[in-house]
Amino acid sequence: QQQVKQSPQSLIVQKGGISIINCAYENTAFDYFPWYQQFPGKGPALLIAIRPDVSEKKEGRFTISFNKSAKQFSLHIMDSQPGDSATYFCAASIFNDMRFGAGTRLTVKP
Amino acid sequence: GAGVSQSPRYKVAKRGQDVALRCDPISGHVSLFWYQQALGQGPEFLTYFQNEAQLDKSGLPSDRFFAERPEGSVSTLKIQRTQQEDSAVYLCASSLGRLSLSYNEQFFGPGTRLTVL
Repeated sequence: QQQVKQSPQSLIVQKGGISIINCAYENTAFDYFPWYQQFPGKGPALLIAIRPDVSEKKEGRFTISFNKSAKQFSLHIMDSQPGDSATYFCAASIFNDMRFGAGTRLTVKP
Repeated sequence: GAGVSQSPRYKVAKRGQDVALRCDPISGHVSLFWYQQALGQGPEFLTYFQNEAQLDKSGLPSDRFFAERPEGSVSTLKIQRTQQEDSAVYLCASSLGRLSLSYNEQFFGPGTRLTVL
């Protein structure tokens, strides 16, 4: 049972553009929603995370928007750069139980 | 060390062989997790330790998979009689494991890529 659904599978954006990745979850018990960035040959690294009591969190060029009633959240990358090219995973967690989306491969063209 | 380390980084096994994958967590991290990441997919939970106690092994796909953390630090994931469907990247993560927090950030290692021929 896929508890976290992520879209799109792949995304190509021009340098300077906005990258948007969407996720939906099913279990309302989840209380922590991180986004991970993974480069080839590396493990996932935490990028930004949000709790369900806020609707938006911004860190630099990265913003999470959270819609609790719709059980959806999204990652926005502003002013996308070629160095942002990586695979991005959303996740939903309750304590130590973390479920990942299938990932979005982002390519930022120079 | 600065982060979670895993060894070997790459492992090729013939079908039916046993393999052992090692994880060295960040010093002082109480919790340790193993995940399986198939090609083009997100990590999937296998098992979780709090110190040396294996508190959740619900994600282990079969009884061929076994994990241990005997001294509450280094952990080994063992796969017996490997099958082609076991081919994946095996990720280890560790966290502080503070029970007072609802979430403890998990720090991932680089993974071991297992290929079963």
